[in-house]
Amino acid sequence: DTGVSQNPRHKITKRGQNVTFRCDPISEHNRLYWYRQTLGQGPEFLTYFQNEAQLEKSRLLSDRFSAERPKGSFSTLEIQRTEQGDSAMYLCASSLVYSGEQYFGPGTRLTVT
Amino acid sequence: AQSVTQLDSQVPVFEEAPVELRCNYSSSVSVYLFWYVQYPNQGLQLLLKYLSGSTLVKGINGFEAEFNKSQTSFHLRKPSVHISDTAEYFCAVSEGPNYGGATNKLIFGTGTLLAVQP
Repeated sequence: DTGVSQNPRHKITKRGQNVTFRCDPISEHNRLYWYRQTLGQGPEFLTYFQNEAQLEKSRLLSDRFSAERPKGSFSTLEIQRTEQGDSAMYLCASSLVYSGEQYFGPGTRLTVT
Repeated sequence: AQSVTQLDSQVPVFEEAPVELRCNYSSSVSVYLFWYVQYPNQGLQLLLKYLSGSTLVKGINGFEAEFNKSQTSFHLRKPSVHISDTAEYFCAVSEGPNYGGATNKLIFGTGTLLAVQP
């Protein structure tokens, strides 16, 4: 068990460009969560999947954001037409449905210039 | 809906001294409670959790926390801190117990920076 992994670890992009992040959860975990953390704040929930189904999306997730989890394995988070306000750490976590506890990846730090 | 309050944004403490990081929560349903630690430019590591049972929970690195339902608190304690404990600590709450319909999304506080000085 290698834990939750995220790629890339860092991404610098220009305003208006599209970016995609990947999260690979712990293999037997059927729930996968995305959070966003800005400087000096705690992480904020964005969305989550149970297997391949996206079951909830936060109001923070504007229509420029889309997440997928094909086949219930890895997940991708895409941001279209990035804005400077999208600069943040994007964290992925996974869990088992009945466990209540989530394990986090190292995060992807996005900087929009 | 749940919310978490960490009143102390920063707690300075000398090495080998005891420390308490405060966390209060509000919720209309029963909750799970967690403490996570975050080192610079890294993800979050689970320190300890309260799901049910004993209100005193022990975690990694010598930390413990006590769930107090009447005061809606879940304060984190360590009897003797080390320089290596310097990090950001986040308290989090999620709805529980899980009957399969709950999202278990985590609601985090704003964090407390524990600054251990020699």
